[in-house]
Amino acid sequence: ETGVTQTPRHLVMGMTNKKSLKCEQHLGHNAMYWYKQSAKKPLELMFVYNFKEQTENNSVPSRFSPECPNSSHLFLHLHTLQPEDSALYLCASSQAGGLSRETQYFGPGTRLLVL
Amino acid sequence: DQQVKQNSPSLSVQEGRISILNCDYTNSMFDYFLWYKKYPAEGPTFLISISSIKDKNEDGRFTVFLNKSAKHLSLHIVPSQPGDSAVYFCAASALSNFGNEKLTFGTGTRLTIIP
Repeated sequence: ETGVTQTPRHLVMGMTNKKSLKCEQHLGHNAMYWYKQSAKKPLELMFVYNFKEQTENNSVPSRFSPECPNSSHLFLHLHTLQPEDSALYLCASSQAGGLSRETQYFGPGTRLLVL
Repeated sequence: DQQVKQNSPSLSVQEGRISILNCDYTNSMFDYFLWYKKYPAEGPTFLISISSIKDKNEDGRFTVFLNKSAKHLSLHIVPSQPGDSAVYFCAASALSNFGNEKLTFGTGTRLTIIP
Protein backbone atom coordinates (compact mmCIF):
# COMPACT_ATOMS: atom_id res chain seq x y z
CA GLU A 1 0.00 0.00 0.00
CA THR A 2 1.21 3.49 -0.75
CA GLY A 3 0.08 6.97 0.22
CA VAL A 4 -2.93 7.42 2.46
CA THR A 5 -5.61 4.74 2.65
CA GLN A 6 -9.06 4.95 4.23
CA THR A 7 -11.59 2.25 5.12
CA PRO A 8 -14.42 1.80 4.62
CA ARG A 9 -14.94 3.74 1.41
CA HIS A 10 -18.70 3.85 1.94
CA LEU A 11 -20.71 3.59 5.16
CA VAL A 12 -24.42 3.72 5.91
CA MET A 13 -25.41 3.91 9.55
CA GLY A 14 -28.43 4.61 11.71
CA MET A 15 -28.51 7.37 14.27
CA THR A 16 -28.10 4.91 17.16
CA ASN A 17 -25.18 2.99 15.65
CA LYS A 18 -21.53 3.18 16.62
CA LYS A 19 -18.97 2.89 13.84
CA SER A 20 -15.34 3.82 13.20
CA LEU A 21 -13.48 5.21 10.22
CA LYS A 22 -9.89 4.17 9.75
CA CYS A 23 -7.01 5.98 8.08
CA GLU A 24 -3.46 4.74 7.51
CA GLN A 25 -0.56 6.64 6.02
CA HIS A 26 2.48 4.92 4.50
CA LEU A 27 4.51 8.11 3.97
CA GLY A 28 6.40 8.32 7.25
CA HIS A 29 4.64 11.56 8.16
CA ASN A 30 4.26 12.93 11.67
CA ALA A 31 0.94 14.75 11.38
CA MET A 32 -2.53 13.48 10.51
CA TYR A 33 -5.80 15.29 9.89
CA TRP A 34 -9.54 14.66 9.61
CA TYR A 35 -11.57 16.82 7.24
CA LYS A 36 -15.29 16.86 6.47
CA GLN A 37 -16.78 17.82 3.14
CA SER A 38 -20.54 18.33 3.07
CA ALA A 39 -22.46 18.85 -0.16
CA LYS A 40 -21.82 22.25 -1.74
CA LYS A 41 -19.47 23.25 1.09
CA PRO A 42 -15.69 23.51 1.26
CA LEU A 43 -13.53 20.98 3.09
CA GLU A 44 -13.58 21.76 6.79
CA LEU A 45 -10.77 20.81 9.14
CA MET A 46 -11.99 18.74 12.11
CA PHE A 47 -8.93 17.48 14.00
CA VAL A 48 -5.14 17.62 13.82
CA TYR A 49 -2.69 15.21 15.43
CA ASN A 50 1.06 15.79 15.72
CA PHE A 51 3.18 12.85 16.86
CA LYS A 52 -0.01 11.14 18.14
CA GLU A 53 -1.06 14.19 20.20
CA GLN A 54 -4.21 16.09 19.32
CA THR A 55 -3.28 19.71 18.64
CA GLU A 56 -6.44 21.01 16.99
CA ASN A 57 -10.12 20.42 17.57
CA ASN A 58 -12.10 22.71 15.33
CA SER A 59 -15.20 22.90 17.58
CA VAL A 60 -16.30 19.43 16.52
CA PRO A 61 -19.29 17.90 18.37
CA SER A 62 -18.42 15.16 20.86
CA ARG A 63 -20.31 12.55 18.81
CA PHE A 64 -17.11 12.51 16.73
CA SER A 65 -14.22 11.06 18.70
CA PRO A 66 -10.76 10.81 17.13
CA GLU A 67 -8.03 8.41 18.14
CA CYS A 68 -4.40 8.31 17.04
CA PRO A 69 -2.60 5.25 18.46
CA ASN A 70 0.59 5.94 16.46
CA SER A 71 1.85 8.28 13.76
CA SER A 72 0.63 6.00 10.97
CA HIS A 73 -2.95 5.35 12.08
CA LEU A 74 -5.89 7.61 12.73
CA PHE A 75 -9.44 6.66 13.64
CA LEU A 76 -12.68 8.59 13.82
CA HIS A 77 -15.21 6.97 16.14
CA LEU A 78 -18.81 7.85 15.40
CA HIS A 79 -21.80 7.51 17.72
CA THR A 80 -25.35 8.90 17.79
CA LEU A 81 -24.81 10.83 14.58
CA GLN A 82 -27.41 13.02 12.93
CA PRO A 83 -28.51 12.95 9.27
CA GLU A 84 -26.74 16.29 8.73
CA ASP A 85 -23.46 14.52 9.54
CA SER A 86 -23.74 12.73 6.19
CA ALA A 87 -20.68 13.83 4.23
CA LEU A 88 -17.36 12.80 2.75
CA TYR A 89 -14.75 12.35 5.49
CA LEU A 90 -11.19 12.80 4.34
CA CYS A 91 -7.99 11.92 6.12
CA ALA A 92 -4.69 13.61 5.31
CA SER A 93 -1.10 13.42 6.49
CA SER A 94 1.94 15.67 6.27
CA GLN A 95 5.46 16.15 7.54
CA ALA A 96 4.97 19.11 9.84
CA GLY A 97 7.55 21.33 11.49
CA GLY A 98 10.21 21.19 8.78
CA LEU A 99 12.10 24.06 7.21
CA SER A 100 9.80 24.30 4.20
CA ARG A 101 6.05 24.66 4.11
CA GLU A 102 4.34 21.30 4.17
CA THR A 103 2.01 19.63 1.74
CA GLN A 104 -0.90 17.57 2.99
CA TYR A 105 -1.60 14.29 1.22
CA PHE A 106 -5.17 13.07 1.20
CA GLY A 107 -6.79 9.67 1.28
CA PRO A 108 -9.74 8.80 -0.99
CA GLY A 109 -12.30 9.51 1.71
CA THR A 110 -15.20 7.66 3.34
CA ARG A 111 -18.65 8.56 2.03
CA LEU A 112 -20.92 8.45 5.09
CA LEU A 113 -24.71 8.38 5.02
CA VAL A 114 -26.62 8.68 8.30
CA LEU A 115 -30.23 7.53 8.17
CA ASP B 1 -18.21 33.60 6.33
CA GLN B 2 -16.07 32.02 3.64
CA GLN B 3 -12.48 33.18 3.78
CA VAL B 4 -11.54 31.50 0.50
CA LYS B 5 -13.87 31.88 -2.46
CA GLN B 6 -13.96 30.26 -5.86
CA ASN B 7 -16.77 32.10 -7.55
CA SER B 8 -16.94 29.93 -10.67
CA PRO B 9 -18.44 26.54 -9.86
CA SER B 10 -17.64 25.28 -13.35
CA LEU B 11 -15.53 26.10 -16.39
CA SER B 12 -15.35 24.53 -19.86
CA VAL B 13 -12.28 24.99 -22.05
CA GLN B 14 -11.32 23.66 -25.45
CA GLU B 15 -8.42 21.21 -25.52
CA GLY B 16 -5.15 22.98 -26.24
CA ARG B 17 -6.36 26.35 -24.97
CA ILE B 18 -5.54 28.01 -21.66
CA SER B 19 -7.61 27.26 -18.54
CA ILE B 20 -7.69 29.99 -15.91
CA LEU B 21 -9.12 29.22 -12.49
CA ASN B 22 -9.57 32.02 -9.98
CA CYS B 23 -9.60 32.25 -6.21
CA ASP B 24 -10.10 35.15 -3.79
CA TYR B 25 -9.32 35.27 -0.09
CA THR B 26 -10.12 37.68 2.70
CA ASN B 27 -7.76 36.81 5.56
CA SER B 28 -4.49 38.75 5.31
CA MET B 29 -2.85 36.25 7.70
CA PHE B 30 -2.75 33.64 4.94
CA ASP B 31 0.80 33.36 3.68
CA TYR B 32 0.86 30.13 1.70
CA PHE B 33 -1.49 29.07 -1.05
CA LEU B 34 -2.09 25.72 -2.72
CA TRP B 35 -4.10 24.22 -5.53
CA TYR B 36 -5.46 20.70 -5.29
CA LYS B 37 -7.06 18.63 -8.01
CA LYS B 38 -9.75 16.03 -7.35
CA TYR B 39 -11.05 13.26 -9.55
CA PRO B 40 -14.32 11.48 -8.68
CA ALA B 41 -13.96 8.81 -5.98
CA GLU B 42 -10.43 10.00 -5.13
CA GLY B 43 -9.03 12.35 -2.53
CA PRO B 44 -7.62 15.77 -3.46
CA THR B 45 -4.15 15.62 -5.00
CA PHE B 46 -1.64 18.41 -4.48
CA LEU B 47 -0.89 20.30 -7.68
CA ILE B 48 1.14 23.46 -7.03
CA SER B 49 1.74 25.99 -4.27
CA ILE B 50 3.01 29.52 -3.82
CA SER B 51 4.39 31.43 -0.88
CA SER B 52 3.25 34.98 -0.21
CA ILE B 53 6.78 36.26 -0.85
CA LYS B 54 6.42 35.31 -4.52
CA ASP B 55 3.97 36.39 -7.18
CA LYS B 56 4.41 33.49 -9.58
CA ASN B 57 5.30 29.82 -9.45
CA GLU B 58 5.52 27.56 -12.45
CA ASP B 59 5.58 23.78 -12.78
CA GLY B 60 5.32 22.45 -16.30
CA ARG B 61 1.93 23.32 -17.74
CA PHE B 62 0.74 24.78 -14.43
CA THR B 63 1.42 28.32 -13.24
CA VAL B 64 0.01 29.96 -10.15
CA PHE B 65 -0.12 33.75 -9.87
CA LEU B 66 -0.58 35.63 -6.60
CA ASN B 67 -1.74 39.24 -6.31
CA LYS B 68 -1.45 40.02 -2.61
CA SER B 69 -2.84 43.54 -2.82
CA ALA B 70 -5.99 42.20 -4.47
CA LYS B 71 -6.01 39.04 -2.32
CA HIS B 72 -6.40 37.05 -5.49
CA LEU B 73 -4.70 34.02 -6.97
CA SER B 74 -5.16 32.18 -10.20
CA LEU B 75 -4.10 28.88 -11.71
CA HIS B 76 -3.23 28.78 -15.39
CA ILE B 77 -3.09 25.48 -17.26
CA VAL B 78 -1.65 25.62 -20.75
CA PRO B 79 -2.14 23.78 -22.95
CA SER B 80 -5.24 22.18 -21.43
CA GLN B 81 -5.59 18.43 -21.87
CA PRO B 82 -8.58 16.08 -21.43
CA GLY B 83 -6.93 14.54 -18.37
CA ASP B 84 -7.11 17.95 -16.68
CA SER B 85 -10.88 17.56 -16.33
CA ALA B 86 -11.43 17.49 -12.57
CA VAL B 87 -12.50 19.65 -9.64
CA TYR B 88 -9.85 22.17 -8.61
CA PHE B 89 -9.68 23.42 -5.04
CA CYS B 90 -7.87 26.52 -3.92
CA ALA B 91 -6.54 26.45 -0.34
CA ALA B 92 -4.97 29.14 1.80
CA SER B 93 -2.85 28.50 4.83
CA ALA B 94 -1.44 30.05 7.95
CA LEU B 95 0.84 28.14 10.30
CA SER B 96 -0.66 27.01 13.59
CA ASN B 97 1.22 27.37 16.89
CA PHE B 98 2.31 23.74 16.45
CA GLY B 99 3.78 24.27 12.99
CA ASN B 100 0.91 22.70 11.07
CA GLU B 101 -0.53 24.22 7.94
CA LYS B 102 -4.09 25.21 8.79
CA LEU B 103 -5.71 24.95 5.38
CA THR B 104 -8.88 26.81 4.47
CA PHE B 105 -10.42 25.56 1.25
CA GLY B 106 -12.63 27.06 -1.40
CA THR B 107 -15.68 25.23 -2.70
CA GLY B 108 -13.96 24.15 -5.91
CA THR B 109 -14.29 24.74 -9.65
CA ARG B 110 -15.21 21.86 -11.94
CA LEU B 111 -13.03 22.11 -15.05
CA THR B 112 -14.13 20.29 -18.19
CA ILE B 113 -11.75 20.09 -21.13
CA ILE B 114 -13.58 19.66 -24.40
CA PRO B 115 -11.71 17.51 -26.94
